[in-house]
Amino acid sequence: KNEVEQSPQNLTAQEGEFITINCSYSVGISALHWLQQHPGGGIVSLFMLSSGKKKHGRLIATINIQEKHSSLHITASHPRDSAVYICAVPQEGAQKLVFGQGTRLTINP
Amino acid sequence: ETGVTQTPRHLVMGMTNKKSLKCEQHLGHNAMYWYKQSAKKPLELMFVYSLEERVENNSVPSRFSPECPNSSHLFLHLHTLQPEDSALYLCASSPDPFNTEAFFGQGTRLTVV
Repeated sequence: KNEVEQSPQNLTAQEGEFITINCSYSVGISALHWLQQHPGGGIVSLFMLSSGKKKHGRLIATINIQEKHSSLHITASHPRDSAVYICAVPQEGAQKLVFGQGTRLTINP
Repeated sequence: ETGVTQTPRHLVMGMTNKKSLKCEQHLGHNAMYWYKQSAKKPLELMFVYSLEERVENNSVPSRFSPECPNSSHLFLHLHTLQPEDSALYLCASSPDPFNTEAFFGQGTRLTVV
């Protein structure tokens, strides 16, 4: 089974700060997903990446396949970025995703 | 708005009730999923449908019964649930199973009393 660990579990920062959320997994993968879950429960897929870096607005996701590690960065953070950020990877040998526990991010004005 | 719509958004039901959750997508996706999210736990995959055929049943109790009548609609029929089944139930869809980004619905917050 592919184990997924996210850190930190909770993160509180001031508006404008640079945010980094980390994800480590135990087994080699084809692609990694970053998801954002808002307080109401709805989930939005942010990125799916298999190598290098992807950028979308103020969000940047990087992955190091050799080190089995990915990071999600938020530049110029804003209170509306407050959400739970979830990392997910495929389970080895199975068509299912394994999810991290999530990182609860709170951005204070 | 992700293109995946779930109804109802909130549901309170007794343990002897029968209810259904509905999910709808008009994104042209071939795969649809039901996930369960309990408090302080990661998302758990329940069922996967690909081209209206169930391809994954993740050891879910029979009191949860999925139905996929066509590629745009997915139901989760609930019968004689337990209080521990109270959770957020999320539907998602993707062009193909697991190899592409998934689009999630807003979820149904279910409370079993």
